[in-house]
Amino acid sequence: QVLLQESGPGRVKKSETLSLTCSVSGVSISRYYWSWIRQSPGKGLEWIGHRFNSGDTNYNTSLESRVTISLDTSRSQVYLDLRSVTAADTAVYYCASMNAGHVTHWGRGILVTVSS
Amino acid sequence: QSVLTQPPSLSGAPGQRVTISCTGGTSNIGGGYSVHWYQQLPGSAPKVLIYESTNRPSGVPDRFSGSKSDTSASLAITGLQAEDEADYYCQSYDSSLGAVVFGGGTKLTVL
Repeated sequence: QVLLQESGPGRVKKSETLSLTCSVSGVSISRYYWSWIRQSPGKGLEWIGHRFNSGDTNYNTSLESRVTISLDTSRSQVYLDLRSVTAADTAVYYCASMNAGHVTHWGRGILVTVSS
Repeated sequence: QSVLTQPPSLSGAPGQRVTISCTGGTSNIGGGYSVHWYQQLPGSAPKVLIYESTNRPSGVPDRFSGSKSDTSASLAITGLQAEDEADYYCQSYDSSLGAVVFGGGTKLTVL
């Protein structure tokens, strides 16, 4: 059974860096593209970016100047860093595996609130 | 404004058939990229309902079906049930943006 579990602070101060970890079990982290997707309160889904074990990385152009997605295969973890956050970055952040262009597994999501 | 356009809301009575549309352009759906559909129940993470335009993962009832034509795609739900009340999202890839893109979502209400 594939399980993805997001973890990190539930509150980040404006202008600081949002850092999240996704712990993966039940599948090799080398197998899929690993994405982060977010959902602002009451809004739709927004793809942040993804990374493959080979280093192939792609980011949403609206966020790419502030975002880094990385992997640690030894720990089976996926990381998200989003710098210089504002209130607009308040959202539920989902870790997700992607294959053949679609999400195969989702984490439960973690709500991150940006405070002033 | 989403690259993929969905109706914001839709409703239907139990037992009815409803169709949710997803309209894109030549750089995504019309460019040959697959469309995928997700169901998000209240308070839960989304789950894949249809992948590669027409395929259902195991465990998804055959009441759900997907189709694709030109620059648009559709999700059809037959025999509507109360448990189908959820938000539905389409997703594809856009070559102009070089990005995974989602539709804005459709809130389905079962009357």
